[in-house]
Amino acid sequence: DVKVTQSSRYLVKRTGEKVFLECVQDMDHENMFWYRQDPGLGLRLIYFSYDVKMKEKGDIPEGYSVSREKKERFSLILESASTNQTSMYLCASSLKWDRRDTEAFFGQGTRLTVV
Amino acid sequence: QQPVQSPQAVILREGEDAVINCSSSKALYSVHWYRQKHGEAPVFLMILLKGGEQKGHDKISASFNEKKQQSSLYLTASQLSYSGTYFCGTGSNQGNQFYFGTGTSLTVIP
Repeated sequence: DVKVTQSSRYLVKRTGEKVFLECVQDMDHENMFWYRQDPGLGLRLIYFSYDVKMKEKGDIPEGYSVSREKKERFSLILESASTNQTSMYLCASSLKWDRRDTEAFFGQGTRLTVV
Repeated sequence: QQPVQSPQAVILREGEDAVINCSSSKALYSVHWYRQKHGEAPVFLMILLKGGEQKGHDKISASFNEKKQQSSLYLTASQLSYSGTYFCGTGSNQGNQFYFGTGTSLTVIP
């Protein structure tokens, strides 16, 4: 059974803290993604990575950074958490899109609250 | 870059039909559809590739008009289990990005 695992389901952090959200996939996928999910706004792409050490910005990268040192792991970093980063964060992975028949697999999500 | 979905929300009675639309400003080579139940991760429903393909999944089908950069999801004879939020996802020829839409909340009532 394919799996994308996010390290925490729920997190509460204080304003100004550095926050790490971890995501691991066991499918040998090239692509990994971080999305933010807010009511009425759908899933917004923060960053994605198509290979180890490679990353590209999505629509809302401000206030976030990412790290991909190994193929199976993709970390989202909030350098200095702020209350407007309170949200549900979803990690996903997929094979390369040039296969054209691939799909994205999602983790269970991390509900982050910044107080 | 995010595709726009319409309607934002819809309530149906069991057995009724619904259509969810997805529109992108970018040239597309594929459209995906996913369903997310409350508290769960989104789950893949189907993929449509260039060529105006229409694919089906049980009583759920979809079409893809690449010229108009639009896709529609058709749910016929809806069941209670269809309730959830539906997302389209789009890939373009311009990179590896994959964008999901704004979402459509579907509620089926008895």
